[in-house]
Amino acid sequence: EDQVTQSPEALRLQEGESSSLNCSYTVSGLRGLFWYRQDPGKGPEFLFTLYSAGEEKEKERLKATLTKKESFLHITAPKPEDSATYLCAVQASGSARQLTFGSGTQLTVLP
Amino acid sequence: DAGVIQSPRHEVTEMGQEVTLRCKPISGHDYLFWYRQTMMRGLELLIYFNNNVPIDDSGMPEDRFSAKMPNASFSTLKIQPSEPRDSAVYFCASRPTGGRSPLHFGNGTRLTVT
Repeated sequence: EDQVTQSPEALRLQEGESSSLNCSYTVSGLRGLFWYRQDPGKGPEFLFTLYSAGEEKEKERLKATLTKKESFLHITAPKPEDSATYLCAVQASGSARQLTFGSGTQLTVLP
Repeated sequence: DAGVIQSPRHEVTEMGQEVTLRCKPISGHDYLFWYRQTMMRGLELLIYFNNNVPIDDSGMPEDRFSAKMPNASFSTLKIQPSEPRDSAVYFCASRPTGGRSPLHFGNGTRLTVT
């Protein structure tokens, strides 16, 4: 059974204080790992897809990296508007259309 | 593009009543998914369709839940009869063909069953 574990559950940062969110996964053959951002009252918004170990993707203050067992979402010099819940999901090679989501990390960036 | 559109945004109903949630996927997307989100269980896949045909409904919790997709631009999720434990946020998502295409989510329907 595919499993995704995200840590920490919640993270409070001061504006400008860089940090990383972790997504550990167990999957029978990784087809893709997805990062989403979810704001209160909204649906998850797609950020990145990573396909193979060693791959990195960047968008503004966010950088996602992938190893064979985990992914990190690095947040550099965060701003209050980066406050949201960040969700990680995996897609196994044997289930081409289903994503298994982690429970998310709730990030709060204080001004 | 308007994105995935769900209605209603909020639904409050009494136990035993029928509830129908609606979804309009992004035009041209031939996969449609229904998810449920709760604090305890996070995001759970209920059912998904490909070209209007249900492919996997193993996540549907009970026979009280049913979903249809009569055409490429409309899907419904029905709960009959509803129970308090069905209270959750229900999301619809769609994506085009291409196994690695990301899902695009609607803003959900918050269901409260009293």
